[in-house]
Amino acid sequence: GENVEQHPSTLSVQEGDSAVIKCTYSDSASNYFPWYKQELGKRPQLIIDIRSNVGEKKDQRIAVTLNKTAKHFSLHITETQPEDSAVYFCAASSFGNEKLTFGTGTRLTIIP
Amino acid sequence: GAVVSQHPSRVICKSGTSVKIECRSLDFQATTMFWYRQFPKQSLMLMATSNEGSKATYEQGVEKDKFLINHASLTLSTLTVTSAHPEDSSFYICSARDPSSGIWTYEQYFGPGTRLTVT
Repeated sequence: GENVEQHPSTLSVQEGDSAVIKCTYSDSASNYFPWYKQELGKRPQLIIDIRSNVGEKKDQRIAVTLNKTAKHFSLHITETQPEDSAVYFCAASSFGNEKLTFGTGTRLTIIP
Repeated sequence: GAVVSQHPSRVICKSGTSVKIECRSLDFQATTMFWYRQFPKQSLMLMATSNEGSKATYEQGVEKDKFLINHASLTLSTLTVTSAHPEDSSFYICSARDPSSGIWTYEQYFGPGTRLTVT
């Protein structure tokens, strides 16, 4: 089955700086890669996703890049703000097999 | 976007009793729903795939006789934790994809989760 690794497990960034979180996956059949933000005790919230036919996607301060050859994808948050502090999870799934395999999570702390 | 609800949001039960958690898709029909478990400071781990009108598919290491899943309608899946023990205390989350959004829309919608505490 799919295995998703995520790094780093914790990340502290000065407000206004950029944050980068990286994930690698093992199953070459995976073709959908969402990123979720989860606050304590709440459900995961989709913040951005990318499909394997695209190498990069951007939504305001958030971007995701995908390298299919290397089987890794990254989340980039620019101009970080205190409200970006949360736990972020990457995930992977494949068309026809909707179940998501999650990474281990990154606790992001934005230092004011 | 589509909405998934869960009930209850929190439940405390005594060791040895059973607890039922409901997951509903409020504005779409879901032939497939997923149940995850999340221990404190850990990731979401898929427990099982709930299939409307058929048996659930359990992930390796998940006891199907302990975690009973029933997907009796296109909008409701239930997870029953039988003979609960303190180690079953966790955050249980369900999710579903809205199939009417098209085959190229992969987004899944998560319920708000149920915090189970077994004393």
